[in-house]
Amino acid sequence: TQLLEQSPQFLSIQEGENLTVYCNSSSVFSSLQWYRQEPGEGPVLLVTVVTGGEVKKLKRLTFQFGDARKDSSLHITAAQPGDTGLYLCAGPTSGTYKYIFGTGTRLKVLA
Amino acid sequence: DARVTQTPRHKVTEMGQEVTMRCQPILGHNTVFWYRQTMMQGLELLAYFRNRAPLDDSGMPKDRFSAEMPDATLATLKIQPSEPRDSAVYFCASGLVLRTVRTYEQYFGPGTRLTVT
Repeated sequence: TQLLEQSPQFLSIQEGENLTVYCNSSSVFSSLQWYRQEPGEGPVLLVTVVTGGEVKKLKRLTFQFGDARKDSSLHITAAQPGDTGLYLCAGPTSGTYKYIFGTGTRLKVLA
Repeated sequence: DARVTQTPRHKVTEMGQEVTMRCQPILGHNTVFWYRQTMMQGLELLAYFRNRAPLDDSGMPKDRFSAEMPDATLATLKIQPSEPRDSAVYFCASGLVLRTVRTYEQYFGPGTRLTVT
């Protein structure tokens, strides 16, 4: 069974600080996605990474896919209160379009 | 601004009652996913459809859950009879395939918060 473990589970930081959250698996994924979910809403897709070692940037967010395609990280530079939310990684299970989601990292950025 | 819509947004019902949740996917998206989110289990895939045909519903309790897509603009998830353990937020997502990389971009609706007492 493919699983996606995220760490840390919770993170509370001050505005302006940098942070990194991780998404790890013992299985290889053809691609991984990152979503952000705010209270009362559905997850919103941030990025899709598909190539081992790939790095994508979205403003202050940097996403990296591990060389072996078993892990990914999300780095936020100079966090802002608007970055507060639940960050989820997700990927399709081997050979299918059945997506599994990670356990989530709940981020709170204090002003 | 194309969005996935879900109705109702909130539903409180008594155990044993039938519950129907509806989803209107984004026009032009041919794939619909149904998920359930709870604090304990996180976000779990229940079923998904492509071109209105069910491709996988292995995540659903078959005896009480059913999912259909009667036309391209409507997907439904039905629970009959409902039980307290079904209390969760149910999300529908419509998918746009990225053919070159064999993955979907999923666009989630706002969810239906179901409480079964």
